[in-house]
Amino acid sequence: AQTVTQSQPEMSVQEAETVTLSCTYDTSESDYYLFWYKQPPSRQMILVIRQEAYKQQNATENRFSVNFQKAAKSFSLKISDSQLGDAAMYFCAYASGGSQGNLIFGKGTKLSVKP
Amino acid sequence: GAVVSQHPSWVICKSGTSVKIECRSLDFQATTMFWYRQFPKQSLMLMATSNEGSKATYEQGVEKDKFLINHASLTLSTLTVTSAHPEDSSFYICSARPGHQTYEQYFGPGTRLTVT
Repeated sequence: AQTVTQSQPEMSVQEAETVTLSCTYDTSESDYYLFWYKQPPSRQMILVIRQEAYKQQNATENRFSVNFQKAAKSFSLKISDSQLGDAAMYFCAYASGGSQGNLIFGKGTKLSVKP
Repeated sequence: GAVVSQHPSWVICKSGTSVKIECRSLDFQATTMFWYRQFPKQSLMLMATSNEGSKATYEQGVEKDKFLINHASLTLSTLTVTSAHPEDSSFYICSARPGHQTYEQYFGPGTRLTVT
């Protein structure tokens, strides 16, 4: 069975600084997708970024980028120029390529942004 | 684009009654919809997966007779909590997958259920 591990329950960053959230996963599959979702206090889940396992290039979305290390089964999220609005729970998630797209979530990392 | 709505956003019901939660994809057709449950300060736990016109697939440990899921159209799925009890109080979130070419899911805003 696939598992997703987020080893940092809480992280803190100064506004305008950079922070990296860690995520590791375990799978024997070769076809899969990885995601980072953000859940602010409103509890609305927002897709931040996604990565297809077959792509070697790391995904980037504006201030958000990932470091995808397939061999190490690591998928970290880097947030540059942190803003107060980035404060939220961040969940790393995995989906099998051959499935209906069921997401397996990590336990989450609570990110605080200090002004 | 890719907006998912949920209704109601908050509901209080008495123990023993049933409550229905609706999940709609507003600007796309959802081949697959998912229902999650989230306890305070915890992650999302998948309850079931549903495809339009088919019976839902429930995760292990989820009572299918208690949590009835209907996916009547490509834009609507409903979750009915039958004979609710206080331990069913939780935050229920639905999500929808736009198609078979993408594994992205778009989430509804969630429904807070309180059973008294």
